[in-house]
Amino acid sequence: EVQLVESGGGLVQPGGSLRLSCAASRFSFTDYWMSWVRQAPGKGLEWLANINQDGSGKNYVDSVKGRFTISRDNAKNSLYLEMNSLRAEDTAVYYCTRGPGGIWGQGTMVTVSS
Amino acid sequence: DVEMTQSPLSLSVTLGQPASISCRSSQSLVYSDGNTYLNWFQQRPGQSPRRLIYKLSHRDSGVPDRFSGSGSGTDFTLKISRVEAEDVGVYYCMQGTVWPNTFGQGTKLEIK
Repeated sequence: EVQLVESGGGLVQPGGSLRLSCAASRFSFTDYWMSWVRQAPGKGLEWLANINQDGSGKNYVDSVKGRFTISRDNAKNSLYLEMNSLRAEDTAVYYCTRGPGGIWGQGTMVTVSS
Repeated sequence: DVEMTQSPLSLSVTLGQPASISCRSSQSLVYSDGNTYLNWFQQRPGQSPRRLIYKLSHRDSGVPDRFSGSGSGTDFTLKISRVEAEDVGVYYCMQGTVWPNTFGQGTKLEIK
């Protein structure tokens, strides 16, 4: 079964950093662009960033531009999200997705609080 | 950014009855290649979102044929022909035509 598994979430203080990972399995990772989407508690969905198949093209939503960095390691079938200068409003479940949302992981919770 | 507006925001439907969710975009979602990158997602309670419909009207693998997507330009509709208990959850439209991709606010479907 095609699978995405996120990890790396946790509690971090405002201004801190965190690196999320997403491990892909049972599909050809290099065939797909990948994305990160988040969902604040009790709220809707926000598409954060995407990256093309070879990692040469990246896009970010304004709310995270300059603070978050999306990357991938095709040799490890893995997607990453480096998050810096974290704010309370970044508290959310973070999902990785394949392409335009065809496959989703289970999500990893990030809580930004002192 | 393209604003996606869904209506209604909540829906209470009797089992076996149809349901319809509307989604309107602030600009046309027809891309230069002729495709309309409008998707529909279902999020059951406590679960990750699941895509039901992509490119306006294409059902994802495993999605029951009671779900259908339609529309054009800026007006779109998700229809459920006969609501079942497993359809309870929140439904989101999402446009992938213009970066950043944007979602509607979500429509909560419950059983009456």
